[in-house]
This record gives sequence, C-alpha cells and structure tokens, in this order.
Amino acid sequence: DTQMTQSPSSLSASVGDRVTITCRASQSIISYLNWYQQKPGKAPKLLIYAASTLQSGVPSRFSGSGSGTDFTLTISSLQPEDFATYYCQQSYNGRTFGQGTKVEFK
Amino acid sequence: QVHLVQSGAEVMKPGASVKVSCKASGYTFTNYDINWVRQATGQGLEWMGWMNPNSGNTGYAQKFQGRVTMTRNTSISTAYMELSSLRSEDTAVYYCARSDFGAESRFDYWGQGTLVTVSS
Repeated sequence: DTQMTQSPSSLSASVGDRVTITCRASQSIISYLNWYQQKPGKAPKLLIYAASTLQSGVPSRFSGSGSGTDFTLTISSLQPEDFATYYCQQSYNGRTFGQGTKVEFK
Repeated sequence: QVHLVQSGAEVMKPGASVKVSCKASGYTFTNYDINWVRQATGQGLEWMGWMNPNSGNTGYAQKFQGRVTMTRNTSISTAYMELSSLRSEDTAVYYCARSDFGAESRFDYWGQGTLVTVSS
C-alpha cells in the first residue's frame, strides 16, 4: 500500500498568514492527489483534486502543487473559517489518507 | 443537489455485525462509486473500500478484507456497508462518500456520518 505522510501534524497561524502543508507519498502517485478540509463534527470537504485543480466553489486562496511523491497545499491568506484539519489522499494505488494537519489559531 | 443520507447511530456488542446504509439522491446512483471511510474519535480518516453500484464490483482495503461487505439496492439508490466481528477498536464515525471512477477519482460528496459504538 502507498503510505502518505503529512507535515507538520499541527501548526499555529494567524489570520492573514500564508500557510503551507506538505504531503509525501511512499512511492510515485503521479498527480493522483486530493486535499480535504474537515471541521469538528463535520464530514470532510473536497478542496483540490488531481494535485492542483480547485474544486468548484472553493476560494482561490487555496492552491495545490506537486507531482510524483511530493505535494503541497497552500493557503495564501488564512481566514477565520480556515481553521480546521487538512488531509491529503492518494487515489493511484487504492486509496490512502495522510494523518492530517491541524491548523490552529495562534 | 447531491445528497448522501446515512442511517442512524448504532451501539453494538463485541463480536456482532453492523450494517450502515447510505441513500443517494440528486444524481444517477449507478454513475458513481460509493466509498466508505471511517474515523475514530480524535483520529484521522481511514478508507475502507469502494463499491460500483452499477456492477456491484467491490474493492476493500487489505485491513478489512474478510470482515467488510459492501452491497447496494439500485431500486432505492442505497448503498450498504456491513462490518462483522466487531471489536472496541471499530468504534468510529463511518462515512459514505461518492467518487467517480479510476485513479482520477476524488470524494466529492459525503454523507453526514454514522457513529458506531462497540461496547459490552
């Protein structure tokens, strides 16, 4: 199975900060990488698919990049509603999630 | 609009089986896979497997092989996930999620989640 490792596990940031989360796959997954946002008590929400394509309705401050084994989710200017946990997920070899990155208020 | 509505919370004894349903609306049920993902309290997301509602074909994560069964009833646009030989570690919120096919797939719509508690 392809393992997904996110870093950091958590981070503290302020409104307006630029935030970057990384996700590394244990083997190449080409660009079959999706990003989700989850708030407490809610189902995850798809943000980005195929590494860099923004899901309809998702604000443009979210962006994704990468290919092969290394991927990045960037929030260009953190907003109050962005404090949540973020997960990467690969779809190349079965389906596997990263362990999550919690974005907390500084 | 697309909706996935799951069945209610369950409390089960160790060793028992649980069956969770996921009713789809707002799209053609047989045109998308249904996946199941679980999340223990305070933990991350764990993919359990997928089912193609058109063919009934399934694919299960290795961890759950032999213990999970995913089925569907196309006449009522409902998918089911049954997990057997329950143990305390299976206590979690179970989600269904829609995806398109193949490697480009992503989970674009999710159910609200079903809490399954395993306790003696």
